[in-house]
Amino acid sequence: QSVLTQPPSVSAAPGQKVTISCSGSSSSIEKNYVSWYQQLPGTAPKLLIYENNKRPSGIPDRFSGSKSGTSATLGITGLQTGDEADYYCGTWDNSLGAVVFGGGTKLTIL
Amino acid sequence: QVQLQESGPGLVKPSEILSLTCTVSGYLITSGNYWGWIRQPPGKGLEWIGTIYHSGNTRYNPSLKSRVTISVDTSKNQFSLKLSSVTAADTAVYYCARSYCSGGNCYLDIIDYWGRGTLVTVSS
Repeated sequence: QSVLTQPPSVSAAPGQKVTISCSGSSSSIEKNYVSWYQQLPGTAPKLLIYENNKRPSGIPDRFSGSKSGTSATLGITGLQTGDEADYYCGTWDNSLGAVVFGGGTKLTIL
Repeated sequence: QVQLQESGPGLVKPSEILSLTCTVSGYLITSGNYWGWIRQPPGKGLEWIGTIYHSGNTRYNPSLKSRVTISVDTSKNQFSLKLSSVTAADTAVYYCARSYCSGGNCYLDIIDYWGRGTLVTVSS
């Protein structure tokens, strides 16, 4: 059971928008930055969002992140078939003294 | 361009020691950053194992701490993982990774570079 809670799956049609939630606690998300990772099938995760809402070089602005209290959200607009992947949130947990991840959300493009 | 490559046995017997090495190219380990290991059991999510700084300072996941040792060899630009007393539950894809640093601050939980991963199966 993961420390951070994500919905197991979300789906949407090409061109539409989707959001993925990540719920934590006062010792994790509330006090630390949140990152998001995209894992395409059969590949390693890739950093998508860091420090809640920053995008690494090369990540299109269709991807966005936000945080409020003990929760964070990843938004993806203009969905493409190539966005079909597993998405993970991650942060530091002050109580556990460890990096923690969500269980992952599988995005399906209809 | 920073690249990380895992190497080591793909099959380990129960109760034995799992040993993996990560070779870093395109970037010196001594330049800064933390270097670590993350694993992913088949069909499951990510689990942080631990991390090391080039000075040798380590941080481990408390749930694995009693079985984990991460070390660094700066002369070879490599770092390594040892996990003892393995069971089938340790079967996973093991990724080596770099943590992000900026402005003198390093964030263990922001993983900006990942290796391709290596599957380690624990079975007799």
